[in-house]
Amino acid sequence: DQQVKQNSPSLSVQEGRISILNCDYTNSMFDYFLWYKKYPAEGPTFLISISSIKDKNEDGRFTVFLNKSAKHLSLHIVPSQPGDSAVYFCAAKWNNNDMRFGAGTRLTVKP
Amino acid sequence: ETGVTQSPTHLIKTRGQQVTLRCSSQSGHNTVSWYQQALGQGPQFIFQYYREEENGRGNFPPRFSGLQFPNYSSELNVNALELDDSALYLCASSRWGLGETQYFGPGTRLLVL
Repeated sequence: DQQVKQNSPSLSVQEGRISILNCDYTNSMFDYFLWYKKYPAEGPTFLISISSIKDKNEDGRFTVFLNKSAKHLSLHIVPSQPGDSAVYFCAAKWNNNDMRFGAGTRLTVKP
Repeated sequence: ETGVTQSPTHLIKTRGQQVTLRCSSQSGHNTVSWYQQALGQGPQFIFQYYREEENGRGNFPPRFSGLQFPNYSSELNVNALELDDSALYLCASSRWGLGETQYFGPGTRLLVL
């Protein structure tokens, strides 16, 4: 069951522009959301998270927005840099032990 | 502070064999979760260990089992390997708690022939 969906398998943006990665979920019990970045031959690296009691969380160039009514979250990267090129996974959980991941979006930032 | 480490990095087994994968958690972390990532998919939760006991399990059969040791390191054991078990196996450690972030190791890539 795909409770977390990333419908765009890939995204290409120009260096310096904004990257927007989207994620939808179906389980209304989810109350904690995370974004991870993954380079080839490495494990996922934590980027940023947001609790369901918030609608926005910002950390440097990365901002996550949560729309609970739409069951949608997005990750904004501004400005995008070539080093941001990686696969980005959205994840969600409602208790401590079961984190559900989307299938990932491959971001390519062109110089 | 050392991060999460996993061994081995790569492994080739044949169908029906058994495999043990190992994970050392990050310093200060008492919870270990295991995930399976098939090609082109996101990681899928296998199970989590806290205080040396299984504390939640995903949709995986009993031939997937694990252990957590007093030093919080962990093992994932898979019996009667099937071709579909070929995947990247990821271990993540964290402190106990909903808001605690899980930090991943580099993974073990298992190929079952």
